[in-house]
Amino acid sequence: AQKVTQAQTEISVVEKEDVTLDCVYETRDTTYYLFWYKQPPSGELVFLIRRNSFDEQNEISGRYSWNFQKSTSSFNFTITASQVVDSAVYFCALSVLYNFNKFYFGSGTKLNVKP
Amino acid sequence: DAEITQSPRHKITETGRQVTLACHQTWNHNNMFWYRQDLGHGLRLIHYSYGVHDTNKGEVSDGYSVSRSNTEDLPLTLESAASSQTSVYFCASSTGDAKNIQYFGAGTRLSVL
Repeated sequence: AQKVTQAQTEISVVEKEDVTLDCVYETRDTTYYLFWYKQPPSGELVFLIRRNSFDEQNEISGRYSWNFQKSTSSFNFTITASQVVDSAVYFCALSVLYNFNKFYFGSGTKLNVKP
Repeated sequence: DAEITQSPRHKITETGRQVTLACHQTWNHNNMFWYRQDLGHGLRLIHYSYGVHDTNKGEVSDGYSVSRSNTEDLPLTLESAASSQTSVYFCASSTGDAKNIQYFGAGTRLSVL
């Protein structure tokens, strides 16, 4: 069975602080895909990144970076120099090769960035 | 620009009424999905479709139904609304290829009184 755990329910930081959102996944499949989505206060879900299990290279996109570690089954998301506009709920999700259209979502982490 | 739209954005209904939530996508995606979002549960899959006339049950399908008569639309029907179905509902679509990224609509907030 597949499972995604986002243990941090809510995080509050002050603007310009760095913050890391944790995502731990469980699967016995060797080929799988990991995703992060952002849900701002307006409500829509915005796709941020997709990673497959064979690509452990960390990725950086502006102030966002992702650390994928198969050894600890984690796919953590770091925001550097956070801004108020980063305030949102962030979801981590997993899908596996044999049924890659089915997503398993974590319960989400609400990030509050205060000015 | 291609998009996925949900309507209505907000809906209040009474227990026992039939309710239909609309989802329309212009991406020409084969796959469409309905999720509900509840505090502490993240997103849970209700129903999904891999193409016209194809529908499948997700993990929380009881009390819901869908039909897919064309590529663009996947309406979600609550046969007899219950207070437990008060939630935010999201529609998503994807190409169905190996890229498998799901793109979401803005959501419908449903209150069943």
